[in-house]
Amino acid sequence: AQSVTQLGSHVSVSEGALVLLRCNYSSSVPPYLFWYVQYPNQGLQLLLKYTSAATLVKGINGFEAEFKKSETSFHLTKPSAHMSDAAEYFCALRGNQGGKLIFGQGTELSVKP
Amino acid sequence: GAVVSQHPSRVICKSGTSVKIECRSLDFQATTMFWYRQFPKQSLMLMATSNEGSKATYEQGVEKDKFLINHASLTLSTLTVTSAHPEDSSFYICSAATPGPSSSPLHFGNGTRLTVT
Repeated sequence: AQSVTQLGSHVSVSEGALVLLRCNYSSSVPPYLFWYVQYPNQGLQLLLKYTSAATLVKGINGFEAEFKKSETSFHLTKPSAHMSDAAEYFCALRGNQGGKLIFGQGTELSVKP
Repeated sequence: GAVVSQHPSRVICKSGTSVKIECRSLDFQATTMFWYRQFPKQSLMLMATSNEGSKATYEQGVEKDKFLINHASLTLSTLTVTSAHPEDSSFYICSAATPGPSSSPLHFGNGTRLTVT
């Protein structure tokens, strides 16, 4: 079975500090992995996706993620946090049956001034 | 590109009435759409997968007679919450898949906040 685990339901950083949101996955086949961001009372916006072309994936708003097969991880990073980055972040895996997205539990990012 | 429009964004209804939520893919044809439900401070729970022209596939524990899904065209799927009760109050989000492999991302609507009084 495929699954996604996000370590830490809440992460707090200071403005300008490094952002690191952790995601580990379980999959018996090569996974397709995604990071989405959700602002309050809104849908999900795609930040970036891994589709096996390159292990280091750059996304929007300065975010990037690195796929590490040996660690079954796909952590999301941003060198310098902005206040506008405060939101809920979801790591997701696209299943190989029916194409549905399997979500992690989500990580709420807070940015302190 | 790949815009998904969901309407209404917010609805309040009385207990016992039915509510219809629309999900449209504006600039692409979506053969498959997904409906999710999200409780406060929680992740998204997949309710059902709808394929154009066929019956929806519901996840275990989701009442198909209560949450009616219709995917009548390649750009429109609807979710009808029948005989709504306060426990149905939630945030409902639809998403659509662009044609292509599983490596393609899903695109999400902005969600519908349903409050049943």
